[in-house]
Amino acid sequence: GEDVEQSLFLSVREGDSSVINCTYTDSSSTYLYWYKQEPGAGLQLLTYIFSNMDMKQDQRLTVLLNKKDKHLSLRIADTQTGDSAIYFCAESYSTLTFGKGTMLLVSP
Amino acid sequence: EPEVTQTPSHQVTQMGQEVILRCVPISNHLYFYWYRQILGQKVEFLVSFYNNEISEKSEIFDDQFSVERPDGSNFTLKIRSTKLEDSAMYFCASTGRSSSGNTIYFGEGSWLTVV
Repeated sequence: GEDVEQSLFLSVREGDSSVINCTYTDSSSTYLYWYKQEPGAGLQLLTYIFSNMDMKQDQRLTVLLNKKDKHLSLRIADTQTGDSAIYFCAESYSTLTFGKGTMLLVSP
Repeated sequence: EPEVTQTPSHQVTQMGQEVILRCVPISNHLYFYWYRQILGQKVEFLVSFYNNEISEKSEIFDDQFSVERPDGSNFTLKIRSTKLEDSAMYFCASTGRSSSGNTIYFGEGSWLTVV
């Protein structure tokens, strides 16, 4: 079946860039997503990319997609303490398959 | 910004009891979903619903689960006889046709604790 893998933890200093990586197995994925989950809260859609694109930029967020390697990354520029959360990568063909999430900790 | 709303935000129930989790999807959306997240684990797909019927379901969605769209706005998940292992955060999601892409929006979740 489909699988999505992410590193579990990333720690950065405020003001630095953060890069969260994700790999997936389903080559028929049509959309790939990044969701943010703060403690005890729901899943907030951050951004998504269509599978025929290789980059998408949205303010501080840059998504890079390498379809050949099935690798997706999320770059957060000028990371703030408010960005501390769990970030989920998800791929979609008909339903979403999520990774386990990457906990981003931003220290002052 | 439009949002998916879920109630209750937290429910504690005794094992064997029936539970109904409610969702109001975004009003012009056509596809509805339930996902769940057991504490510390992945978010898992349960069921998708389109045109008043289930379009896809996972192995988790067995006979004790059912979904319904009783009126034009609500979308419910019923767990007929809850087990301890049903304790999880249940997320409703919806999506519709959008010129900006297939954006899937999630609610804040309903945290179910079975004791």
